[in-house]
Amino acid sequence: DGGITQSPKYLFRKEGQNVTLSCEQNLNHDAMYWYRQDPGQGLRLIYYSQIVNDFQKGDIAEGYSVSREKKESFPLTVTSAQKNPTAFYLCASSPMTGSSNQPQHFGDGTRLSIL
Amino acid sequence: GNSVTQMEGPVTLSEEAFLTINCTYTATGYPSLFWYVQYPGEGLQLLLKATKADDKGSNKGFEATYRKETTSFHLEKGSVQVSDSAVYFCALAPLQGGSEKLVFGKGTKLTVNP
Repeated sequence: DGGITQSPKYLFRKEGQNVTLSCEQNLNHDAMYWYRQDPGQGLRLIYYSQIVNDFQKGDIAEGYSVSREKKESFPLTVTSAQKNPTAFYLCASSPMTGSSNQPQHFGDGTRLSIL
Repeated sequence: GNSVTQMEGPVTLSEEAFLTINCTYTATGYPSLFWYVQYPGEGLQLLLKATKADDKGSNKGFEATYRKETTSFHLEKGSVQVSDSAVYFCALAPLQGGSEKLVFGKGTKLTVNP
């Protein structure tokens, strides 16, 4: 079955440490996204990518970095510059058809906590 | 700018009760509108969508009608079940910009008791 796989499901970070969250999709979608979810705040866009080797900052990109070397993969690195990284991180993908009616498909998320 | 406002939760209902979750939006032109559902510990799943005025999206007994005159997309279900307990998100995609501009409401937590 096609879908989006996020790993790990739970991740712990020590102070001053960078951690990388994995996101892989086999839906052949062009666009991929990373969101951060905090209680009571809905989803906030961190980064998105519409094509391989290109990505754009979202609303809360500070302290995060991404790469898009392959169409199916869009890893997110939470750097030590992100002072409040504890959150639930969601990866999504969608086809790029030039219209606004294509829904995004989501992975099951990674919960990041600080030790 | 574009924004989505949902009724604040949590919402607690008894099984077989009628559900309404209000959603209003602000956007330029006529965006596409979506309802997503998030079950505990999982990602979001598309529940239904509507892409133009007066469209009605429906799925699993849930319905929502795109009302441009009131800029609303309220989610309804005639008889909820315990298995409907989840967080529901209303979202819009502006007419221009494609789905990378998806804007979410803050979510409404629904609990259905037997």
